[in-house]
Amino acid sequence: QKEVEQNSGPLSVPEGAIASLNCTYSDRGSQSFFWYRQYSGKSPELIMSIYSNGDKEDGRFTAQLNKASQYVSLLIRDSQPSDSATYLCAVKEDTGNQFYFGTGTSLTVIP
Amino acid sequence: ETGVTQSPTHLIKTRGQQVTLRCSSQSGHNTVSWYQQALGQGPQFIFQYYREEENGRGNFPPRFSGLQFPNYSSELNVNALELDDSALYLCASSLQGVETQYFGPGTRLLVL
Repeated sequence: QKEVEQNSGPLSVPEGAIASLNCTYSDRGSQSFFWYRQYSGKSPELIMSIYSNGDKEDGRFTAQLNKASQYVSLLIRDSQPSDSATYLCAVKEDTGNQFYFGTGTSLTVIP
Repeated sequence: ETGVTQSPTHLIKTRGQQVTLRCSSQSGHNTVSWYQQALGQGPQFIFQYYREEENGRGNFPPRFSGLQFPNYSSELNVNALELDDSALYLCASSLQGVETQYFGPGTRLLVL
C-alpha cells in the first residue's frame, strides 16, 4: 500500500509568519506531486504542482521537492488568516493513474 | 471555481439502498476521477474514467461502479449502501496526459 504521510497538526502561526508544511511518500518512483488547500466543508483547491527536485515558487507559496529523501514541503510566506485551512499533499503513483493523498495538515493563522 | 459540477450536493440514504452521483467535467477535460473523503481523512481514489472506460481503480469493492458518457460527464454508482459509505464524494477532471486535477464541489452522502 503506497502511503503519503503528513503532520496532522494543528499548526498555528501568527499572521505574517512563515508556515511550513511537510509530506513524505513511500512510492520511490513517483514523479508528480501536488498541494491542495481545503477549507472546512469545501472541496480541495489546487495550489501548486511540482515535478523536479528543488524549489518552485508561486506568489507567497513555495513548494520544495527532494526525491532522494521522498519528501515534499510547502512554505507559505506572510501567512494570512485567509490561509487557515487544511493542506493536502497528493502524490501520483509511478505506474498507473492513482493519486494518493495524505490526511492533511490543519493550519490556523492567528491575527 | 473550477468549472467542475456535481449533483446532488447532499443526499441521505438508508443502508442497503443504491445511489447515483453525477459529475460534469471542466470544458476541454476528457478524464474524470472519483474520490471518497471520510471526515478527517484525505481523499481516497475510487477510480478514473477515460474514453468511457475505467482507467484505473483504487481499493474499493465492485459495488462501487461508474460510467463515463461521450460528453465526458460521469456517474458514480454505489449499491448496497453501508454506514461507512457516509462521506464526501469528489470528482476531479483533467486532460489525459496532463496530471493536474481540478475538483468539483462534492456530494455529501449520509447513510443511515
